[in-house]
Amino acid sequence: KQEVTQIPAALSVPEGENLVLNCSFTDSAIYNLQWFRQDPGKGLTSLLLIQSSQREQTSGRLNASLDKSSGRSTLYIAASQPGDSATYLCAVIKGGKLIFGQGTTLQVKP
Amino acid sequence: DAGVTQSPTHLIKTRGQQVTLRCSPKSGHDTVSWYQQALGQGPQFIFQYYEEEERQRGNFPDRFSGHQFPNYSSELNVNALLLGDSALYLCASSLNPGTYNEQFFGPGTRLTVL
Repeated sequence: KQEVTQIPAALSVPEGENLVLNCSFTDSAIYNLQWFRQDPGKGLTSLLLIQSSQREQTSGRLNASLDKSSGRSTLYIAASQPGDSATYLCAVIKGGKLIFGQGTTLQVKP
Repeated sequence: DAGVTQSPTHLIKTRGQQVTLRCSPKSGHDTVSWYQQALGQGPQFIFQYYEEEERQRGNFPDRFSGHQFPNYSSELNVNALLLGDSALYLCASSLNPGTYNEQFFGPGTRLTVL
């Protein structure tokens, strides 16, 4: 059974700091991995999709990496801003469905 | 380009009642998946619809059922509501059930069961 774990559960950093969010999964036979952002009480916004054949994807200040052999993905956020405050969820895609971690809640202090 | 839309935004029901939630997929998408997100948890997969049929189902009881219409929109029905059904219900759309396709989510429906 595929399990997805995100550490830490919560993170508080000062504005401008670079940070890394971690995601681990137990079954390396995944197809893709997707990172999402969720603001309180809202839906999910897709940030990055990494296909299983890729090692990383970049979008603006975000960079996501994927290491299937070790069952890990990281989301790197450069020069964090207060507007980055949200919950970040990773999800592995297997069999067409998403299996989510519990998320990391990020607070960026001005 | 319209994204995924869901209705209603919020809903309050009492135990034992039935509820119907609605979802319209992103333009050009033909596959709809439903997820339940309890407070403080990651979303859990309920089921997926493609070509008007349920293609996959997560670990949810038969009280949860759905439908997909010819225009690809979808409904989620929950019968005999329990307090534990209180959650944010999220709809996601993608292009066919292929494993390589990015999924896009709607804003969700907040269901409260009293």
